[in-house]
Amino acid sequence: AQTVTQSQPEMSVQEAETVTLSCTYDTSESNYYLFWYKQPPSRQMILVIRQEAYKQQNATENRFSVNFQKAAKSFSLKISDSQLGDTAMYFCAFMTTGTYKYIFGTGTRLKVLA
Amino acid sequence: GAGVSQTPSNKVTEKGKYVELRCDPISGHTALYWYRQSLGQGPEFLIYFQGTGAADDSGLPNDRFFAVRPEGSVSTLKIQRTERGDSAVYLCASSLGGGGPYNEQFFGPGTRLTVL
Repeated sequence: AQTVTQSQPEMSVQEAETVTLSCTYDTSESNYYLFWYKQPPSRQMILVIRQEAYKQQNATENRFSVNFQKAAKSFSLKISDSQLGDTAMYFCAFMTTGTYKYIFGTGTRLKVLA
Repeated sequence: GAGVSQTPSNKVTEKGKYVELRCDPISGHTALYWYRQSLGQGPEFLIYFQGTGAADDSGLPNDRFFAVRPEGSVSTLKIQRTERGDSAVYLCASSLGGGGPYNEQFFGPGTRLTVL
């Protein structure tokens, strides 16, 4: 069975600074995908970034980038130039190739301070 | 529609009552998913529809939970004889194709169910 662990329940960062959210996972699968989702107070989950496990290059989306370490089963999210609108819960998620079920972690609550 | 919508936004009920939660997916999306998010947890998969049929209901916790999607669009999650442990946010998502990581799941704002 796959598991996703987010060991930081809460984090804070000053506006315009950089913050890194940690995620580790456990799987015996070789083909899978990893995701970071943002859940603001509106509760609507929003996809931030996606990484294919077979790709060595780390995914980037504007101010968001990941550090994917496959051997260590680590998938951290870096947010650069943090903005007040980045305040939200962030969930790391795993999906085996060929399936549609996400396995989510327990989330990290990020607060961006003015 | 502009996005996935869910009604009601909040639902308070008493233990033992029956509730229905509604999900309106994005127009044209054939795949629809239900998740349950308990306090302090990430969402957990409940059921996946492809068109009108439930392709995978392995996440439904017991036979008090049932979901339908009769016309391949709107879906209703039905919970009988509610228990306090059913209190959670119920999220619905839809995707254009039949699941998989490249068929991005778009989530609705959820229904917060509170069972007193």
